[in-house]
Amino acid sequence: QVQLQESGPGLVKPSETLSLTCAVSGYSISSGYYWGWIRQPPGKGLEWIGSIYHSGSTYYNPSLKSRVTISVDTSKNQFSLKLSSVTAADTAVYYCARFVDGDYYFDYWGQGTLVTVSS
Amino acid sequence: EIVLTQSPGTLSLSPGERATLSCRASQSVSSSYLAWYQQKPGQAPRLLIYGASSRATGIPDRFSGSGSGTDFTLTISRLEPEDFAVYYCQQYGSSPPTWTFGQGTKVEIK
Repeated sequence: QVQLQESGPGLVKPSETLSLTCAVSGYSISSGYYWGWIRQPPGKGLEWIGSIYHSGSTYYNPSLKSRVTISVDTSKNQFSLKLSSVTAADTAVYYCARFVDGDYYFDYWGQGTLVTVSS
Repeated sequence: EIVLTQSPGTLSLSPGERATLSCRASQSVSSSYLAWYQQKPGQAPRLLIYGASSRATGIPDRFSGSGSGTDFTLTISRLEPEDFAVYYCQQYGSSPPTWTFGQGTKVEIK
């Protein structure tokens, strides 16, 4: 069974960098698929942040591109998100998820982690 | 950039009723690239429909998807108590790969 688990600080100060990691079990990231980050501000909808292909190619939401970096560590079977210069508007539940290319859907999701931006 | 607009924002229905949710794209989307998710409070989204009309594994047949081009629909034939939730459509755009979600439709108990 594929499982994804987000981890990282739950509180980040304004102007600092948000860093999260998604640990994957039950499937090797290097074997295939896209691996993505999606966020959801409290009481609002889902926003795609960016994705990384198993080959290492990255794709970002144009509205966040200047602040986002997604990387993968195949030795640890995990991928990471860095979002710089955060503001209160970046407060959200952050999800990691696997996207199945070929069938084109997110099939496995982490449970989500709330990150609050506040001083 | 493709924008997905879902309507209505909120649907108030009773158990046993039929729910019809709309997802309209700002430009034509390949049916293969359109998916629907259900999200309940405090939970991650769950895949319901992919390829516009294919049910995901374990999804009851009261859920169905249809549509093409710019207009897609999720139908719940008879609402069960566990179906009251928020529903999102999502599209994948190639060259370069991008992902977009609609703003969601909340199905609430009337």
